[in-house]
Amino acid sequence: QQQVKQSPQSLIVQKGGIPIINCAYENTAFDYFPWYQQFPGKGPALLIAIRPDVSEKKEGRFTISFNKSAKQFSLHIMDSQPGDSATYFCAALVSGNTPLVFGKGTRLSVIA
Amino acid sequence: NAGVTQTPKFRVLKTGQSMTLLCAQDMNHEYMYWYRQDPGMGLRLIHYSVGEGTTAKGEVPDGYNVSRLKKQNFLLGLESAAPSQTSVYFCASSPSRYGYTFGSGTRLTVV
Repeated sequence: QQQVKQSPQSLIVQKGGIPIINCAYENTAFDYFPWYQQFPGKGPALLIAIRPDVSEKKEGRFTISFNKSAKQFSLHIMDSQPGDSATYFCAALVSGNTPLVFGKGTRLSVIA
Repeated sequence: NAGVTQTPKFRVLKTGQSMTLLCAQDMNHEYMYWYRQDPGMGLRLIHYSVGEGTTAKGEVPDGYNVSRLKKQNFLLGLESAAPSQTSVYFCASSPSRYGYTFGSGTRLTVV
């Protein structure tokens, strides 16, 4: 059972564009929503995270938008660069010791 | 400070063989996890541990066993490898519910 649905599966944008990756969830007990970035041959690394009491969070060129009523959250990458080409995973965490559940990932390619 | 170290990095097994994947962390983290990554499937949790001596099943535990005898190590065992276990395996650790640090992965092929 997929608890976090991520789309699109892949995305190609021009340098300077603003790719948007979307995730949706059903479990209202989730209380922490991180995004991970993974480069080929490497493990995922935490990029940015948000809690449901905040509607938006920015860190550099990366922004999470969170819509609690719609149970959706998205990652925006401003002024995207070829170095941003990677696979991005959204994830969600429920209270207690239950580990992170991940979306299926989005492969982003930023072309010059 | 090495973070999370996984050994081996690559391995080819024949169907029915057994092996153990080792995960070691030097950050004194309480929590450790094993995920597998398959194309189009994302990261799926196999087993996890919330402290030394504890283990729990994740989403896809069948065919795997784990042990956490020492706080810094989390071992993943395959007793009788099957082609369906061909995957990239990632170990992660965290000090609490948050702040996962992942290793660089083990690419396993079962033929």
